[in-house]
Amino acid sequence: DAMVIQNPRYQVTQFGKPVTLSCSQTLNHNVMYWYQQKSSQAPKLLFHYYDKDFNNEADTPDNFQSRRPNTSFCFLDIRSPGLGDAAMYLCATSGRQTTNEKLFFGSGTQLSVL
Amino acid sequence: GEDVEQSLFLSVREGDSSVINCTYTDSSSTYLYWYKQEPGAGLQLLTYIFSNMDMKQDQRLTVLLNKKDKHLSLRIADTQTGDSAIYFCAEKRSYIPTFGRGTSLIVHP
Repeated sequence: DAMVIQNPRYQVTQFGKPVTLSCSQTLNHNVMYWYQQKSSQAPKLLFHYYDKDFNNEADTPDNFQSRRPNTSFCFLDIRSPGLGDAAMYLCATSGRQTTNEKLFFGSGTQLSVL
Repeated sequence: GEDVEQSLFLSVREGDSSVINCTYTDSSSTYLYWYKQEPGAGLQLLTYIFSNMDMKQDQRLTVLLNKKDKHLSLRIADTQTGDSAIYFCAEKRSYIPTFGRGTSLIVHP
C-alpha cells in the first residue's frame, strides 16, 4: 500500500491561476519535504516541515507556499504559476532529521502550465 | 559547479554489469545514497552507505566509496531490462539530502 500519496498525478493549470498540490502520509513521519524536479535536473528542495516548523530554502520563490495542517497532510500552493513552474513536484517524508532516516517519496504530481 | 555530479546516460547490454559513478563535494557528508526513479514515479531508495565504510554489498548491488576522492559508485551485476531507470546519487549533510541530476540507465537486449 502506498505510504506517501500525492494527488493528483497530473495537474493542468492556466498561467497565473492558483493551484494546490496535496500530499498525505500514513507513516506518521515528522518531516515532510517538497521537491521540484525538471527534466534531466536534480530534484530541488523547495521547503520542508519538521513537525509544524516550516523551513524555506533561500532560493525558493515567494510564489510557492506550503501548509501542513496536521502530521498526515502537506500542501503546496503555487499562487501565480508561470510557464517555468511546469515540472514534477515530489513530496517526501522521513522519520527524523538527524539520523540515517530514509526518505520515502510519493509518485509525484506532474504540473503543466498553459 | 554542482554539489553532486553524475554522468547523464549509461547504456549496457542485458546480463552485463553496470557501473554508475558519482562525485560529491562535502567531506562532512555522513550518509550517501542511491535512489532509483522509474518513469512517472517517485524516487525509491535502493541502498546507502555510511561515510566510514568503503564498500557495501546488497544482492546484485555493490556500493563503493572513496572518501579521499569523494567518489561513489553503484555496480549492478547481471543488469536486467527492469533495471532501466534513472539513478540518483545523494549526499546527506546535516539533515537535508542533496541529489545529483541522475544517470539514465538504458538496458538493451
